[in-house]
Amino acid sequence: AQTVTQSQPEMSVQEAETVTLSCTYDTSESDYYLFWYKQPPSRQMILVIRQEAYKQQNATENRFSVNFQKAAKSFSLKISDSQLGDAAMYFCAYRSGNSGGSNYKLTFGKGTLLTVNP
Amino acid sequence: GAGVSQSPSNKVTEKGKDVELRCDPISGHTALYWYRQSLGQGLEFLIYFQGNSAPDKSGLPSDRFSAERTGGSVSTLTIQRTQQEDSAVYLCASTAWVGVTGELFFGEGSRLTVL
Repeated sequence: AQTVTQSQPEMSVQEAETVTLSCTYDTSESDYYLFWYKQPPSRQMILVIRQEAYKQQNATENRFSVNFQKAAKSFSLKISDSQLGDAAMYFCAYRSGNSGGSNYKLTFGKGTLLTVNP
Repeated sequence: GAGVSQSPSNKVTEKGKDVELRCDPISGHTALYWYRQSLGQGLEFLIYFQGNSAPDKSGLPSDRFSAERTGGSVSTLTIQRTQQEDSAVYLCASTAWVGVTGELFFGEGSRLTVL
């Protein structure tokens, strides 16, 4: 079974600074997807960024970028120019690239609570 | 609706009572998921529906938990004889096509408190 580990329960960053959230995962598969989701106090999970394992290029979405190290099974999220609205719980998630059955479920880490200080 | 809608937003019940949690997915989304989020824990997969296929119930923690999806749209998660350890936020998510992107769209969840 796949597992996702987020080793930082809490992180803090100063507004306008850069912060990196860590995520490692364990899988025997070669085809899969990785995600970072943000959960603000409203509880609604929002997709931040997605990475396909077959793509070597790191995904980027505006101020959010990832460092995907497939061999190391590492998938960190970098937030540049942090804003107060970035404060939230961040979850790393894994999904198999194989079809069928429970392969369609996302496996989540336990999350990292990010605080942004003004 | 524009997004995934869940009700009730908050539910307080007494131990031993049955509860029903409702999820109304985004129109046209064929896949629907239920997750449970306990304090300090990640999201725990409960059940997955895809179109008319048999649901994947592999995450349901006990036979007190059940879920159905009527007409390929609205889903109800039922917890019978609730226990204090059932207290959690229950999140519903839907997606249009799991085979391509895997992006799930989540509701705001139903917070269940069992006294």
